[in-house]
Amino acid sequence: DQQVKQNSPSLSVQEGRISILNCDYTNSMFDYFLWYKKYPAEGPTFLISISSIKDKNEDGRFTVFLNKSAKHLSLHIVPSQPGDSAVYFCAARWAGGTSYGKLTFGQGTILTVHP
Amino acid sequence: GAGVSQSPRYKVAKRGQDVALRCDPISGHVSLFWYQQALGQGPEFLTYFQNEAQLDKSGLPSDRFFAERPEGSVSTLKIQRTQQEDSAVYLCASSLRVHEQYFGPGTRLTVT
Repeated sequence: DQQVKQNSPSLSVQEGRISILNCDYTNSMFDYFLWYKKYPAEGPTFLISISSIKDKNEDGRFTVFLNKSAKHLSLHIVPSQPGDSAVYFCAARWAGGTSYGKLTFGQGTILTVHP
Repeated sequence: GAGVSQSPRYKVAKRGQDVALRCDPISGHVSLFWYQQALGQGPEFLTYFQNEAQLDKSGLPSDRFFAERPEGSVSTLKIQRTQQEDSAVYLCASSLRVHEQYFGPGTRLTVT
């Protein structure tokens, strides 16, 4: 039962263009959504987050959009740079229970930015 | 350094051996999480501590998995009688603010 899904295993874009990474979720109990970036042999690094009460959050080149009715979020990177090449994980925070803060991750999308 | 550290970084165990994986969280972080990441997958939740209290262990796959954080700082994940399906990267994360978890580099466990 995959509650958070990233349906694109990989994405390839040209330097300077926009990268759009997508994520879908099924559980309406998630109250916070996060994007993590991961390089090989390193742990995931927090990138940007959005509360479920908002529809957009921007931080420099990174913008996350949330469509609650569609249970869909996306990460936009503009402009894309070769250093952005990494695996990107979408994650959702569980709002209730005793693990307030437990994250459920998608499978990841490998982003490759070509010079 | 100021980040989350984990040791060992790599561990090879023969099937049936016990292993212990260590996590040193960021100083002052009360919340600590363990995740398991299989090859090609996203991390999956194993267990959660708030200080020394283990508040959720619902993700531990079997009773061979045990985690502790006796003094509310360093945590150890122990796997008894390792099996091949335990091969994965084990990630530890700590947080001060609930929605930002800081991950360590992980321990890659290979069971042969």
